[in-house]
Amino acid sequence: DAMVIQNPRYQVTQFGKPVTLSCSQTLNHNVMYWYQQKSSQAPKLLFHYYDKDFNNEADTPDNFQSRRPNTSFCFLDIRSPGLGDAAMYLCATSRSPGQSYNEQFFGPGTRLTVL
Amino acid sequence: GNSVTQMEGPVTLSEEAFLTINCTYTATGYPSLFWYVQYPGEGLQLLLKATKADDKGSNKGFEATYRKETTSFHLEKGSVQVSDSAVYFCALSDQGGANNLFFGTGTRLTVIP
Repeated sequence: DAMVIQNPRYQVTQFGKPVTLSCSQTLNHNVMYWYQQKSSQAPKLLFHYYDKDFNNEADTPDNFQSRRPNTSFCFLDIRSPGLGDAAMYLCATSRSPGQSYNEQFFGPGTRLTVL
Repeated sequence: GNSVTQMEGPVTLSEEAFLTINCTYTATGYPSLFWYVQYPGEGLQLLLKATKADDKGSNKGFEATYRKETTSFHLEKGSVQVSDSAVYFCALSDQGGANNLFFGTGTRLTVIP
């Protein structure tokens, strides 16, 4: 089945130690998104890629970076995780933008714990 | 700008009760509207969607109708089951840009036997 895969499902890191979360998709979608979801809150968009074009949300901290080496993979790098970065990180994909009916397909998420 | 206002929870219902979760929106243009469901410890799954006024989205016994005149997209189910316990998010997608989703705050539903 075509899907969005996130690895690992659970990640534990230490305060200040860089961490990378991975997302891959078999849907061949043009757009990939990263969201941060804290407990009992709605997902918050961090950034998205439309093909190779990177689009950062205005309030995304510089501590968060992303890479998309090819259509299938996208990575979220947290350079110096703080305790406030503990959250569920969700990856999503969609077809070409410009059509509002193009739904987003979400992966299962990676729960990040910062010690 | 775009925003979604969703009924606050938590909501607790007995099995086979009727469910309504209210959702209203503010948008420029003609957004598409979605309901996503999140089961414990998992990512979001699309439950249903509607792409234009008066469309009704439906799935797994859930329904929602896109009402432009009241800017609403309320979620309903006639008879809930314990397995429906989850968090439900109403969202809209703007017409341009990269299909950015604007989420409501989520409503936690618990169904008790």
